[in-house]
Amino acid sequence: GENVEQHPSTLSVQEGDSAVIKCTYSDSASNYFPWYKQELGKRPQLIIDIRSNVGEKKDQRIAVTLNKTAKHFSLHITETQPEDSAVYFCAATLPGSARQLTFGSGTQLTVLP
Amino acid sequence: GAVVSQHPSRVICKSGTSVKIECRSLDFQATTMFWYRQFPKQSLMLMATSNEGSKATYEQGVEKDKFLINHASLTLSTLTVTSAHPEDSSFYICSARDQGTQPQHFGDGTRLSIL
Repeated sequence: GENVEQHPSTLSVQEGDSAVIKCTYSDSASNYFPWYKQELGKRPQLIIDIRSNVGEKKDQRIAVTLNKTAKHFSLHITETQPEDSAVYFCAATLPGSARQLTFGSGTQLTVLP
Repeated sequence: GAVVSQHPSRVICKSGTSVKIECRSLDFQATTMFWYRQFPKQSLMLMATSNEGSKATYEQGVEKDKFLINHASLTLSTLTVTSAHPEDSSFYICSARDQGTQPQHFGDGTRLSIL
């Protein structure tokens, strides 16, 4: 099965600085990579996703890059704001009928005002 | 956008009680729904994949007789925790995927506390 590793587990940045979270996956057949933001006690919310036929995707302050050769993908948040503070999870999906998500271990991001 | 409704949001009950959690896709049909468990400060762990009209597929280590899953329609899946014990206390979250598409959409989760 797929295995996803995520680093760092905690990240503190000053407001306005950038934050980068990195994930690696084990199965080169994985073809879909979403990123979720989860606030305490709430549902995970999709913030951005990327498919294996794309190397980079950007949505305002958030961007994701994918390196299929190295089997890693990263989340970049620029101009961070206190409301960006949350736990962020990366995930990977193998093709197939079920297309289950395999989640990384999560990164607690704290944006200091 | 796609909405997944999960009920109840919070359950507190005595040890030995069975608890049913519902997961509904409100504006799309979901042939596949997923059930996750999340312990404090940990990631989401897939428990089972629920398929409409057939038996659920459980992940290794998840007892199918303890966590009963029923997916009787394209918009409803239920998880029943049978004879719950304190170690079953956790945050249970469902997700659903519109037919043949990504991404998965998550419910609000159910905080289960067994006394």
